[in-house]
Amino acid sequence: TQLLEQSPQFLSIQEGENLTVYCNSSSVFSSLQWYRQEPGEGPVLLVTVVTGGEVKKLKRLTFQFGDARKDSSLHITAAQPGDTGLYLCAAFMIYNQGGKLIFGQGTELSVKP
Amino acid sequence: SAVISQKPSRDICQRGTSLTIQCQVDSQVTMMFWYRQQPGQSLTLIATANQGSEATYESGFVIDKFPISRPNLTFSTLTVSNMSPEDSSIYLCSVVTGAGETQYFGPGTRLLVL
Repeated sequence: TQLLEQSPQFLSIQEGENLTVYCNSSSVFSSLQWYRQEPGEGPVLLVTVVTGGEVKKLKRLTFQFGDARKDSSLHITAAQPGDTGLYLCAAFMIYNQGGKLIFGQGTELSVKP
Repeated sequence: SAVISQKPSRDICQRGTSLTIQCQVDSQVTMMFWYRQQPGQSLTLIATANQGSEATYESGFVIDKFPISRPNLTFSTLTVSNMSPEDSSIYLCSVVTGAGETQYFGPGTRLLVL
């Protein structure tokens, strides 16, 4: 069972279009993170959302954390070819006096010029 | 933040051999992790590298296959033992700094087993 359900898993759009990626769970998280990964590189943190209902903007990217802190969304306005990459949502789970980051399945985004 | 380097960046290996991947961080970190990732897919946690004690492995991963060392707070190694083509993947080192939940990732090691 996937703790973080991410959708869609693949998205191919034209430059200038808008898109939304969803990350859903039945669990409540203290925070949720979004990463972007380009080919040949490791994931890079885009944003961390902490407060239920929080909205954060990063240029053309808008991140939202659900009121109940169980889900999040990433919206890209006027996508550009440079936005192409793998987008991953992740949440930190505390266990055994430590913790680990769990990931959604990822969304492979392709923006065509 | 943390700057993470991995060696080697990529390798092609013969089945039955072993490869040791190194992870070096530019500062002391509280937690270090090793992940595996198939191209275009999400990350699967292999284990948490514990400083001064045995690594904590996730379900499906065992120490005999993926021995891990962490001699200090800035360095760790992952060995992929007795490799088979199914081990072909990207292996990523990741760290958590301080008391936060933010993780930083190395560039990955791309392994192809023939």
